[in-house]
Amino acid sequence: DVKVTQSSRYLVKRTGEKVFLECVQDMDHENMFWYRQDPGLGLRLIYFSYDVKMKEKGDIPEGYSVSREKKERFSLILESASTNQTSMYLCASSENQETQYFGPGTRLLVL
Amino acid sequence: DQQVKQNSPSLSVQEGRISILNCDYTNSMFDYFLWYKKYPAEGPTFLISISSIKDKNEDGRFTVFLNKSAKHLSLHIVPSQPGDSAVYFCAVLNSGGYQKVTFGTGTKLQVIP
Repeated sequence: DVKVTQSSRYLVKRTGEKVFLECVQDMDHENMFWYRQDPGLGLRLIYFSYDVKMKEKGDIPEGYSVSREKKERFSLILESASTNQTSMYLCASSENQETQYFGPGTRLLVL
Repeated sequence: DQQVKQNSPSLSVQEGRISILNCDYTNSMFDYFLWYKKYPAEGPTFLISISSIKDKNEDGRFTVFLNKSAKHLSLHIVPSQPGDSAVYFCAVLNSGGYQKVTFGTGTKLQVIP
């Protein structure tokens, strides 16, 4: 079974803090993704990566950056957290584009 | 610019009846159409997909229909069970370049026992 784990289920941070969200997958997938889920907006793609050290902007990359130093790990970084980044963050990995395997999500609250 | 729309945010259905979830899209260049299911406090899980060259795909109680001329996708669940209660996201796979999946806004299905 594919397993995607996220470092935290819940996080509370203050405005202006630097926030790191970690994601690890154990299936040697090439592709990894970061989404955020908000009520009424569904899942929106922030960044994705098709290979180590490679990254591509998704639909809403502003205010975020990512790091993929190892194949199994994809990190999302909020350089200076703001209240509008309060959301559920979901990481996914895939071998093909049809089927993505998601982690359980990190619910981030920025005060 | 919302490429994928699920106009019904919620749907309630009696157990044993059919659930029909709908999705509209704007771009005729999509290769694959997908449905994901999400329970609270869990990540979405892949449910079923259909290629753009087909108009129907069936997997057990789940059937996805694709109407390319209307740019419309639907998921039928028959018979509906209480365990089907979840949020359902339709999604489309863009062709060309770096392929990425675009998700709709989701429909919350409640199956009433």
